[in-house]
Amino acid sequence: DADVTQTPRNRITKTGKRIMLECSQTKGHDRMYWYRQDPGLGLRLIYYSFDVKDINKGEISDGYSVSRQAQAKFSLSLESAIPNQTALYFCATSDAGTENGELFFGEGSRLTVL
Amino acid sequence: AQKVTQAQTEISVVEKEDVTLDCVYETRDTTYYLFWYKQPPSGELVFLIRRNSFDEQNEISGRYSWNFQKSTSSFNFTITASQVVDSAVYFCALSEFDSGGGADGLTFGKGTHLIIQP
Repeated sequence: DADVTQTPRNRITKTGKRIMLECSQTKGHDRMYWYRQDPGLGLRLIYYSFDVKDINKGEISDGYSVSRQAQAKFSLSLESAIPNQTALYFCATSDAGTENGELFFGEGSRLTVL
Repeated sequence: AQKVTQAQTEISVVEKEDVTLDCVYETRDTTYYLFWYKQPPSGELVFLIRRNSFDEQNEISGRYSWNFQKSTSSFNFTITASQVVDSAVYFCALSEFDSGGGADGLTFGKGTHLIIQP
């Protein structure tokens, strides 16, 4: 089983709908991240969380919200989806106890907003 | 602010050729880490290598090698005797550290799409 699990893996929805992408991890890491990937733009950081009580905005947080329900769970919400939020979304974790910042990624959630 | 530039959007070579993917970074920190990830057509991100800013030794792993040069802020990746299975998007990334000493995420380049033709 994957250490970082994202659900759903694929989702097609309509403009204006609320969407939640969920991420859970079994690595025991404190830090969790949500990234968005668009063709030709690489991965951009949406939100990150250093622990359950700590949420931080990333480079492109507008239109998104997150919830850190537990150390192992970090959800990304789109309150009212729009077509330009069509992208591949990655959840990642890192270990605060190591100094190198290495991220461990989930398999990605492909979201299409019509 | 940190920045990672991968100037090559797409590279196409014939199988068995050597190919180098360029990565140039900007940072004000003296302590940082550089990474390369591979994204095959299936979409997952595969970790390839991590290098810290104090270690400028080149690294070789099979057909893969990495050249880190702080003087030019570059961390280039070479595939020797390329194979069709090397076809993927490759990302270079940089981690800096927040005031608490922990990394607040990776900054990624836009990626290089490598196509290996049979």
